[in-house]
Amino acid sequence: EPEVTQTPSHQVTQMGQEVILRCVPISNHLYFYWYRQILGQKVEFLVSFYNNEISEKSEIFDDQFSVERPDGSNFTLKIRSTKLEDSAMYFCASIGRDSVPGELFFGEGSRLTVL
Amino acid sequence: AQRVTQPEKLLSVFKGAPVELKCNYSYSGSPELFWYVQYSRQRLQLLLRHISRESIKGFTADLNKGETSFHLKKPFAQEEDSAMYYCALFYGGSQGNLIFGKGTKLSVKP
Repeated sequence: EPEVTQTPSHQVTQMGQEVILRCVPISNHLYFYWYRQILGQKVEFLVSFYNNEISEKSEIFDDQFSVERPDGSNFTLKIRSTKLEDSAMYFCASIGRDSVPGELFFGEGSRLTVL
Repeated sequence: AQRVTQPEKLLSVFKGAPVELKCNYSYSGSPELFWYVQYSRQRLQLLLRHISRESIKGFTADLNKGETSFHLKKPFAQEEDSAMYYCALFYGGSQGNLIFGKGTKLSVKP
């Protein structure tokens, strides 16, 4: 069964460094999402992406964040200059044209630790 | 603004006991509600959706628009039901977004 894959599974970085989290959505999916979950808190929406542009973004998704689909398969989240409070689990998700709206397929997540 | 509320952070029951995980929502439009589950060391996955009115792994959830609730129920809990459960609201049509409640950790003791 096809799955959303994310790399790295865990990244440790110094405050102020740039981080890129990578996602490979399910191959025929068209809508892509990033969520984050700070330890002990809820899963929060960051951004949605469709047709090579951002559909919606939350207040969390400020100028430090960017997303890109550089080729036909990868979907990346870049944090330009990491802060301590960016430490969280970041989840990528995708949904296909024929999927039930709201039925997102999630990756296993990338844990980011900012020191 | 849309919001999903799960009042219980942790729910602990014994095997065979009934379970009800509470969820309330706030949304001005017609809601599409879901329950997602995350078992230990596994990815977040869809458990059930209100529109299909189905029972998955013995769980059901009924949308009550009057009370703006979508509680998840199971008559007899099993140990393998232990997991994090997230109520979620999808809005905005096919290009819409999914927002989650804070989640409830269900612990089923033997």
